[in-house]
Amino acid sequence: DVKVTQSSRYLVKRTGEKVFLECVQDMDHENMFWYRQDPGLGLRLIYFSYDVKMKEKGDIPEGYSVSREKKERFSLILESASTNQTSMYLCATPGTGNGYTFGSGTRLTVV
Amino acid sequence: SQKIEQNSEALNIQEGKTATLTCNYTNYSPAYLQWYRQDPGRGPVFLLLIRENEKEKRKERLKVTFDTTLKQSLFHITASQPADSATYLCALDWRGGGATNKLIFGTGTLLAVQP
Repeated sequence: DVKVTQSSRYLVKRTGEKVFLECVQDMDHENMFWYRQDPGLGLRLIYFSYDVKMKEKGDIPEGYSVSREKKERFSLILESASTNQTSMYLCATPGTGNGYTFGSGTRLTVV
Repeated sequence: SQKIEQNSEALNIQEGKTATLTCNYTNYSPAYLQWYRQDPGRGPVFLLLIRENEKEKRKERLKVTFDTTLKQSLFHITASQPADSATYLCALDWRGGGATNKLIFGTGTLLAVQP
């Protein structure tokens, strides 16, 4: 089974800080995705990558950027964190059985 | 734009009964539909995938139906147990002119199974 590891379970950052969220998968898959999840809004796609150095915007890319220098690692970057980016961030990659495998999530609080 | 609707109200049922959750979608014809389970503070876990040419899929106590005419999927848990209590998410594949398919999620339905 695919394993997706997110580097932090909980993060607290200050407004204006540059924040890096890291995600690593162990199956050499081309596609990786970043979602954020907020109450009442569900999971919304921020960015995804379909190969090294290849990326595409999702539904809510504003305020975010991504980096994919190696196939196994996909980083989400908050260029200047704001309080409205307080959320649960979830990384995913296609897994077994045609579904996605998600990481455990990073709960980010921006104060 | 495509829209996925799941009942936002929690579903409360008695242990041993069948839970039925609904997923409706508009403005789109997905090639497949997926269901996930999510526990508090955790990432979603994949349960089942059903393709557009399949009417029904089963896995142990789970059953999913897919009606492309009604644009609806039903997710059933038979002989429900308190351990089935969680949020269940429906997701559709979406190409959107991009380089690859991606999943669009509904907001989920919270299921509470009472002992």
